[in-house]
Amino acid sequence: SSELTQDPAVSVALGQTVRITCQGDNLRSYYASWYRQRPGQAPVLVIYGKNNRPSGIPDRFSGSSSGDKASLTITGAQAEDEADYYCNFRDSSRNHVFGTGTKVTVL
Amino acid sequence: QVQLVQSESELKKPGASVKVSCKASGYIFSSYAINWVRQAPGQGLEWMGWINTKTGNPTYDQGFTGRFVFSLDTSVSTAYLQISSLKAEDTAVYYCAKLGNDGLTDDCWGQGTQVTVSS
Repeated sequence: SSELTQDPAVSVALGQTVRITCQGDNLRSYYASWYRQRPGQAPVLVIYGKNNRPSGIPDRFSGSSSGDKASLTITGAQAEDEADYYCNFRDSSRNHVFGTGTKVTVL
Repeated sequence: QVQLVQSESELKKPGASVKVSCKASGYIFSSYAINWVRQAPGQGLEWMGWINTKTGNPTYDQGFTGRFVFSLDTSVSTAYLQISSLKAEDTAVYYCAKLGNDGLTDDCWGQGTQVTVSS
């Protein structure tokens, strides 16, 4: 199966840590990447590869994986982290698959 | 800087066609593939396919064959998405995205183009 499943929504208190998970069989073979999408805006890449951040992404964002699960952790969540987050992988046929998305609310 | 600028919102009637453009700047256009992604109202991201900017060869995901066409004009560093025989369910924001150096991720996205299909 090429599906990626995420929890629909999570909330986190300002300054606390939140982990977003993504589950799918293909994650045993491929690293997930993560995109943040703020309301009304285009997605932005925040984590790729084993645990890499593009330029401009704060180091409070980190990624990890184990078995068929990938995780995005925000350590010390800020108000501007409130957004939808999507996991993603690209398989050997160059097909992308997006996760179902997680809405993160910062309280 | 690397940038993708998409065309403005479109309002179309059912059965019409629409062509969305995605103009690249700040990098060598033919060096990185362009992906197309759809986001229906209140829904998640849906990968539509990609186009090889060296060869112009398109690849379409399931569900995006037949009425959807990816094309290029390399002389103006622009990718296009054309949708024909529009239906109400085509109403969505359409994004183009540039494939990154790693060949696995989209490191730059266009701002999105809203296509609304309504009679």
